Amino acid sequence: GQNIDQPTEMTATEGAIVQINCTYQTSGFNGLFWYQQHAGEAPTFLSYNVLDGLEEKGRFSSFLSRSKGYSYLLLKELQMKDSASYLCAVLTTDSWGKFQFGAGTQVVVTP
Amino acid sequence: DTAVSQTPKYLVTQMGNDKSIKCEQNLGHDTMYWYKQDSKKFLKIMFSYNNKELIINETVPNRFSPKSPDKAHLNLHINSLELGDSAVYFCASSQDPELAGGHTDTQYFGPGTRLTVL
Repeated sequence: GQNIDQPTEMTATEGAIVQINCTYQTSGFNGLFWYQQHAGEAPTFLSYNVLDGLEEKGRFSSFLSRSKGYSYLLLKELQMKDSASYLCAVLTTDSWGKFQFGAGTQVVVTP
Repeated sequence: DTAVSQTPKYLVTQMGNDKSIKCEQNLGHDTMYWYKQDSKKFLKIMFSYNNKELIINETVPNRFSPKSPDKAHLNLHINSLELGDSAVYFCASSQDPELAGGHTDTQYFGPGTRLTVL
């Protein structure tokens, strides 16, 4: 079956760094996505990794190790507006519903 | 200039009723999706549809039926609503990677429809 695991909640202070880990076991792999979802809003795309290594995009970076079935999202210089749920999603090779989402990690940024 | 839009944003109805949620995308994408996000925040795919084929998640009850009048619209009809159908329903769209030259088929989500069945 499909399994995508990420921590339920993380708390950090403004200006700090937080790393959200995601491990996956899926049928096939065509890439890993990170989405941000503020309460009551739609998920918005943050990053995409398909090859091993680090992808940097401003304050956000995402890392992938396909052999380990592991990814992380690194949020630097945290701001209050970064308080949100962060969803790890794997693009599988299933014939349908190719996206498999994790349950999301709620990040709480405190002053 | 909304990319993916859904109506209504909130829907409150009685058990047993039939309701529809509409979705439209102006991104020129070929594939559209319906997801259900329950109280535990899991996003679960219900349907994916492109101008070639409707692909159905067989775990979805047949009370749910997607209808696509054209590739920019994918509506969701729900018959005989049940309490367990209460959730947020998200529409999303993406470009078929085969048509996008093999690039990532990043999905873009609509704002969601919060359905409450009483």
